Amino acid sequence: RKEVEQDPGPFNVPEGATVAFNCTYSNSASQSFFWYRQDCRKEPKLLMSVYSSGNEDGRFTAQLNRASQYISLLIRDSKLSDSATYLCVVNGRPGAGSYQLTFGKGTKLSVIP
Amino acid sequence: NAGVMQNPRHLVRRRGQEARLRCSPMKGHSHVYWYRQLPEEGLKFMVYLQKENIIDESGMPKERFSAEFPKEGPSILRIQQVVRGDSAAYFCASSPPISRYPDEQFFGPGTRLTVL
Repeated sequence: RKEVEQDPGPFNVPEGATVAFNCTYSNSASQSFFWYRQDCRKEPKLLMSVYSSGNEDGRFTAQLNRASQYISLLIRDSKLSDSATYLCVVNGRPGAGSYQLTFGKGTKLSVIP
Repeated sequence: NAGVMQNPRHLVRRRGQEARLRCSPMKGHSHVYWYRQLPEEGLKFMVYLQKENIIDESGMPKERFSAEFPKEGPSILRIQQVVRGDSAAYFCASSPPISRYPDEQFFGPGTRLTVL
């Protein structure tokens, strides 16, 4: 099982649509979870941290299910500017420090006018 | 507050040459991390440094790669005798010494290394 696994996409959605990304992780000891976005040939930028109770930031909602080792990101009312690759990130690897972030390969989103 | 700064943004080297990549963390941040992103791959952890100390270099290739974070100046990732397989984007990230949100890291714009 890959350490962090995501559907690579691409997801092509019209403006205003709701889109959901899923992610699974293998290290049950992970304690911190994040969604980053990465624009083409740019650096990853932190979108939001993911907390056990779930959290919302404007149009973005993140959920965490520790039992299933599953993380999700929901984007409502998609904008053209949401087009990017969304990276699921967890901390720690077996035997490694918690500071080691493990990145999924990302899910590419294209929002179409 | 300036973000994480990296230079150069693009670096071209011929096989066998040396590559030096620099990273200045965000103001107030004392922890530096280097990651590598190969084409079509996710970012992979390489090394974690604090001032004058290498904390964890478990992700670094055993040969040709080294990193430092001196008391003064930027962190440097050095690749000796580069090979084509070293072509990648190298990202530096930093975090503060004490954070309300542990493990949050902020990334620089990256250095894109191309080995001819």
